[in-house]
Amino acid sequence: SQKIEQNSEALNIQEGKTATLTCNYTNYSPAYLQWYRQDPGRGPVFLLLIRENEKEKRKERLKVTFDTTLKQSLFHITASQPADSATYLCAPNTGGFKTIFGAGTRLFVKA
Amino acid sequence: ETGVTQTPRHLVMGMTNKKSLKCEQHLGHNAMYWYKQSAKKPLELMFVYNFKEQTENNSVPSRFSPECPNSSHLFLHLHTLQPEDSALYLCASSFYNSPLHFGNGTRLTVT
Repeated sequence: SQKIEQNSEALNIQEGKTATLTCNYTNYSPAYLQWYRQDPGRGPVFLLLIRENEKEKRKERLKVTFDTTLKQSLFHITASQPADSATYLCAPNTGGFKTIFGAGTRLFVKA
Repeated sequence: ETGVTQTPRHLVMGMTNKKSLKCEQHLGHNAMYWYKQSAKKPLELMFVYNFKEQTENNSVPSRFSPECPNSSHLFLHLHTLQPEDSALYLCASSFYNSPLHFGNGTRLTVT
């Protein structure tokens, strides 16, 4: 069955450092992959989408890579700030309306 | 303001009650979704509607009954729920299979 794995343990980093979050998937071939941010008590918010033919995508301090051979996406936040503290969800998608999410990785950025 | 409004924000109900969750989107999207989010578990897709037609039912128990009268409104009717149904219920909308826009959810507690 399709499986999405994100680091279940929280990631703690110091302000100003780069945070790197991992998303691995098995048993399917997504056409694209999305990353969302979720704050406590709120719905997820879309951040970035990367397609299978793209190796890397950037938006301000965010960078996403997509390796279809390794079946992995990496999500980087450079020059991290305490306001970046949140849970980050990945969602590999094969197309259509069935968007399935990983469990998320909780990021804490300390001042 | 996310463009997707969910009411109520919090709901406590007994196992014999009947209640409804409401979702409204003001983004002109054609697709609407219900997700369930339990503690420490990934978002679980429940139902998808595209132009009012149900396209996904992810083996959801019949005590959850969705209704989509038009592309802007989505309801989730609840009856004879179990304590394990306590969770955050999230509504989302999208333009075809583009990124999802989520509401801030209804926190449901079944006593």
